Amino acid sequence: DAGVIQSPRHEVTEMGQEVTLRCKPISGHNSLFWYRQTMMRGLELLIYFNNNVPIDDSGMPEDRFSAKMPNASFSTLKIQPSEPRDSAVYFCASSFAQGAVGYGYTFGSGTRLTVV
Amino acid sequence: AQTVTQSQPEMSVQEAETVTLSCTYDTSENNYYLFWYKQPPSRQMILVIRQEAYKQQNATENRFSVNFQKAAKSFSLKISDSQLGDTAMYFCAFMMLSGAGSYQLTFGKGTKLSVIP
Repeated sequence: DAGVIQSPRHEVTEMGQEVTLRCKPISGHNSLFWYRQTMMRGLELLIYFNNNVPIDDSGMPEDRFSAKMPNASFSTLKIQPSEPRDSAVYFCASSFAQGAVGYGYTFGSGTRLTVV
Repeated sequence: AQTVTQSQPEMSVQEAETVTLSCTYDTSENNYYLFWYKQPPSRQMILVIRQEAYKQQNATENRFSVNFQKAAKSFSLKISDSQLGDTAMYFCAFMMLSGAGSYQLTFGKGTKLSVIP
């Protein structure tokens, strides 16, 4: 099992540019989560999907942020246009939820985004 | 909304000693799960230990154990025989079943643990 795969690992972009972060969850997991981590705010849930359907996007900070999950093996988080305050580490995580049993998430290695 | 509080921003411990990291949470739910995650400098989030709220027995994983006090809403992590590789940020997290059959994790702010040789 290759785990949750995120790309790129690092991204440096100029303000105003479009940024796309990618995630491949663990095969068989039915839930996918996007988190943002900053020193000031810690780990914040941005959006999560269940069976490829967006369930809760209330954590998405602005309309500049959007996320998609076209199939069970791929998700993207897009920021357009990017701003310096978007600089953070973005994590993707996946899990398997069945009935009343909750298991921990498996996280990807994160993408460190720097907007200059 | 559920909240998770880690009151110790930073801690240090001598190698081979024991350290306890504190965590409290607030919820009106009865069925939930609690976790400790470790984030070393590599930034990878690693699951350390998991506790089901309906189980009274405290979870243990090798040198890691928890003290789960459900009535007090407390969930502390004890690391025995601390090793240099335990140096990391430790996050306490709360999970409950949310809408549409999915589970949502809420994290505390973290405790930075340094193991001193």
